[in-house]
Amino acid sequence: EAGVTQSPTHLIKTRGQQATLRCSPISGHTSVYWYQQALGLGLQFLLWYDEGEERNRGNFPPRFSGRQFPNYSSELNVNALELEDSALYLCASSSYRGLGTEAFFGQGTRLTVV
Amino acid sequence: QQQVKQSPQSLIVQKGGISIINCAYENTAFDYFPWYQQFPGKGPALLIAIRPDVSEKKEGRFTISFNKSAKQFSLHIMDSQPGDSATYFCAAGRGSARQLTFGSGTQLTVLP
Repeated sequence: EAGVTQSPTHLIKTRGQQATLRCSPISGHTSVYWYQQALGLGLQFLLWYDEGEERNRGNFPPRFSGRQFPNYSSELNVNALELEDSALYLCASSSYRGLGTEAFFGQGTRLTVV
Repeated sequence: QQQVKQSPQSLIVQKGGISIINCAYENTAFDYFPWYQQFPGKGPALLIAIRPDVSEKKEGRFTISFNKSAKQFSLHIMDSQPGDSATYFCAAGRGSARQLTFGSGTQLTVLP
């Protein structure tokens, strides 16, 4: 069974541009989570999507947005890129059944803003 | 109240020794406590998880100890191996909110 896949692996953008990151969850998983992992830091929760709806978002500005498609894949968009947006962006998926279902992570997209 | 505090920041252990990483949380609504292992250039991988209705869970060389009254939980790695060298993250989750709150990570180095 394929795990969570993210694309692209690496992305280099110029300050002020927009970045689009993509995530395909594990088959059967309906929830997708996005996290930001800045260099040397922990994971900061960005967004949670389930069944096509945004369920919750972390303490990030509105220029971080996303969506979930009918096939449960997801897209994270970062507008007006700033240098401090450089980080590893991780997507995780889980099956929204019951409480505390395990979340499985992809390999991440390394975004570099220059 | 969403914070999860993890210590130590880095840990060096001899091969065969015991690695212990500690986490403390504040929000009593948390009901799911996983540990993740992350190798350089890879995404975090779920290692072991515990719920607050048990005080200990063991899977192979990895054990989670949970103290609900102290709001603390820890990861013990027995017979640590060089292949265990990685960054370990504790996390806490609430069933209704789903997303995880992560600790800051512990970089474990196991010397051969």
